[in-house]
Amino acid sequence: NAGVMQNPRHLVRRRGQEARLRCSPMKGHSHVYWYRQLPEEGLKFMVYLQKENIIDESGMPKERFSAEFPKEGPSILRIQQVVRGDSAAYFCASNGGSGEPQHFGDGTRLSIL
Amino acid sequence: SQQGEEDPQALSIQEGENATMNCSYKTSINNLQWYRQNSGRGLVHLILIRSNEREKHSGRLRVTLDTSKKSSSLLITASRAADTASYFCAAPSGGYQKVTFGTGTKLQVIP
Repeated sequence: NAGVMQNPRHLVRRRGQEARLRCSPMKGHSHVYWYRQLPEEGLKFMVYLQKENIIDESGMPKERFSAEFPKEGPSILRIQQVVRGDSAAYFCASNGGSGEPQHFGDGTRLSIL
Repeated sequence: SQQGEEDPQALSIQEGENATMNCSYKTSINNLQWYRQNSGRGLVHLILIRSNEREKHSGRLRVTLDTSKKSSSLLITASRAADTASYFCAAPSGGYQKVTFGTGTKLQVIP
């Protein structure tokens, strides 16, 4: 009865490297959401995906950021050529349908050196 | 613009007291949800109130919804130190019920 699993919990990258954040939704959930949170701030919506489809990526920067949710396997948030400003906590959530309560993972804390 | 905005930004109370947090939203909704976030953790869903409901209870939590004022409140009765956390409201809106979160109310319960 596992909840939303995110890995890694902590990720350290140097400027210019790539960061890959993984999210396995709760069993039976086909809707995945990614959020970004800076210290002492709320969650900023980034992208909403269903299996193999991006539904809304309006919160995601146009460059360097991409997300996918393949038919098999976890959802991946990919950040290319990371910069210091990408340092944040990235949370994934899932639910079984839009409008339903979202179940959150414990996040990946990304630190850029 | 945020669909859910919480007020106050921070609240500090003694254990045993009640804590009240408010949330305002902008567009029509089907439901409004409250979440809690403990430091370093993800959000946890607490309670959902539908647009045709005015009040809902869950344990020590009481949520009210006033659709005419586009506002909701979360009351935690007989607070405990373990209630210390940030509390967020979320109001799904739009075609696919997009959820946006406010900056939250940071509650500190002093033992």
